[in-house]
Amino acid sequence: IVLTQSPGTLSLSAGERASLSCRASQTVTTRFITWYQQRPGQAPRLLIFATSNRATGIPDRFSGSGSGTEFTLTISRLEPEDAAMYYCQQYGASPLISFGQGTRLEIK
Amino acid sequence: QVQLQESGPGLVKPSATLSLTCTVSGASRNGSFWSWFRQSPERGLEWLGNIHYAGTTFYSSLFRSRITISLDASPDRFSLKLAAVTAADTATYYCARGTYPIPSRADIWGRGTSVSVSS
Repeated sequence: IVLTQSPGTLSLSAGERASLSCRASQTVTTRFITWYQQRPGQAPRLLIFATSNRATGIPDRFSGSGSGTEFTLTISRLEPEDAAMYYCQQYGASPLISFGQGTRLEIK
Repeated sequence: QVQLQESGPGLVKPSATLSLTCTVSGASRNGSFWSWFRQSPERGLEWLGNIHYAGTTFYSSLFRSRITISLDASPDRFSLKLAAVTAADTATYYCARGTYPIPSRADIWGRGTSVSVSS
């Protein structure tokens, strides 16, 4: 299965809303779509699991949605600390766990 | 607070075996899956494999012929061995905790360790 994220880079101002897309080459169970945030020089951090559930400590500005082959991460009211790479990940299809190539979010 | 820390050589010679250890603190190894990932500019984030706390392993088909993940005798460690490395195996390697009973996501990650394959 191939996960394609778009856009490759997103440049927005603080306070704006960001929508990041993850498209799968075949249907993925919503239970098995995860989003991670990776700030520069850091490890990935669990952000959203099972498509729409926020991980512990993640502010409610972050939300996830989608089904089938189309999934979206939305970040409302952007803050400077949101500047990072964002990755979607699927579980289940070969090779069991795979990632999208990431979206770079820049805060102007 | 659960923390993971990778350790091992930062430089490995081509055709040799890459060996890394992950030390878990703040949690028992029991009741979880434990995972290895890697990240490089060329290949992005890649899952290498998981090990169940009882020892059952699940490997990516991309690495199955040369990967071994094991539980150490020490109850707070697990390890990765990747054989016959090439320059393409140069990456930052992360250990992580996979959720249980289905390791569909990694909820805790180590900081990562950079490994270069070069003579």
